[in-house]
Amino acid sequence: GIQVEQSPPDLILQEGANSTLRCNFSDSVNNLQWFHQNPWGQLINLFYIPSGTKQNGRLSATTVATERYSLLYISSSQTTDSGVYFCAVIGWDSKLTFGKGITLSVRP
Amino acid sequence: NAGVTQTPKFQVLKTGQSMTLQCAQDMNHEYMSWYRQDPGMGLRLIHYSVGAGITDQGEVPNGYNVSRSTTEDFPLRLLSAAPSQTSVYFCASSYSSEEQYFGPGTRLTVT
Repeated sequence: GIQVEQSPPDLILQEGANSTLRCNFSDSVNNLQWFHQNPWGQLINLFYIPSGTKQNGRLSATTVATERYSLLYISSSQTTDSGVYFCAVIGWDSKLTFGKGITLSVRP
Repeated sequence: NAGVTQTPKFQVLKTGQSMTLQCAQDMNHEYMSWYRQDPGMGLRLIHYSVGAGITDQGEVPNGYNVSRSTTEDFPLRLLSAAPSQTSVYFCASSYSSEEQYFGPGTRLTVT
């Protein structure tokens, strides 16, 4: 199946800093999603982005499908951005495969 | 819309007991799936369904059964619980291979 690698595994930021989270995948995909898992365990949909660029407030994402990677940008980070960020892809087999996640801590 | 709902939120079982985790969605989604989340492992697919009457195995299906008799419901059955099944379980739904929506999760402990 498809392999999904996320980097860096852990990230510590001061409030107000910007960051880039990366997701690499090993094969062509039909679907790519970014999720935020908050400290209470909820999985929150951030972006559905199989290709191209999308923005939602302080967050934006870019997927370059031909080069098999996606980037999630967080600008002016806030303490509420803390949590785990997951990238997940669906390939030819219609199964969603998750990366292991990036743990983000934003300090006040 | 309630979205994807899961019950119970928490459950403690003894080894060998059976139980069913419930999942329901009110978005008329064809696709439904079950994942488990273990520390440091991300989420792994247990079973999925592309429509009523159709189910298939994911990455970690052993020890779990599913059935899909209606579009709305997709229960996950543990026939004989084992400590290795201690995990957080998430249900998700979507139209075809499009954006997936997750329920709030069930935290299961098997002693």
